[in-house]
Amino acid sequence: KNEVEQSPQNLTAQEGEFITINCSYSVGISALHWLQQHPGGGIVSLFMLSSGKKKHGRLIATINIQEKHSSLHITASHPRDSAVYICAVDRGSTLGRLYFGRGTQLTVWP
Amino acid sequence: EAGVTQFPSHSVIEKGQTVTLRCDPISGHDNLYWYRRVMGKEIKFLLHFVKESKQDESGMPNNRFLAERTGGTYSTLKVQPAELEDSGVYFCASSQGRSVGDTEAFFGQGTRLTVV
Repeated sequence: KNEVEQSPQNLTAQEGEFITINCSYSVGISALHWLQQHPGGGIVSLFMLSSGKKKHGRLIATINIQEKHSSLHITASHPRDSAVYICAVDRGSTLGRLYFGRGTQLTVWP
Repeated sequence: EAGVTQFPSHSVIEKGQTVTLRCDPISGHDNLYWYRRVMGKEIKFLLHFVKESKQDESGMPNNRFLAERTGGTYSTLKVQPAELEDSGVYFCASSQGRSVGDTEAFFGQGTRLTVV
């Protein structure tokens, strides 16, 4: 079983909808990363968080350390948000090595 | 400032051939990581350099894979001989010397390797 589980695996939305992607992990962590990958593109870091909540533009990431759960929210979704969103955790004891979820393929239709 | 760059972006080789992937980290980043995504699976760790030293190579699948980081700058990952199951996207990431939990990783564009 993977240390990091994401849901849903695929997500389709209409432009303007509010989107939530969930990430659960089963190990102790020092930080959790949300990453984005566009088709044919590299991986871009969206957030790194170890507690609470972070916001950047229309993106919001939250983490509940006690429940070992994080969510990524996109408000007022747009077709350009279509990408794979990946949750990854840093276990702290492994010198920055990341453990990844399988990713969520998001498609936003106009 | 240039980001993490990887070369080539795509490579198609025949089974049994050799391929060398290259990663140039962000200047000044001591930590360099190689990861691989095989189709349908999650991205998995291959190895971690701190400067020129291999800190952790526990993710390397077998001895057909050889990684180097001479001089602590760019890194190469050689697969020799390549097998069909080596196909996937190889990502490189770099980060600065870390404090626990506060190091952001910067990723390259990846190299898509196809072994036929």
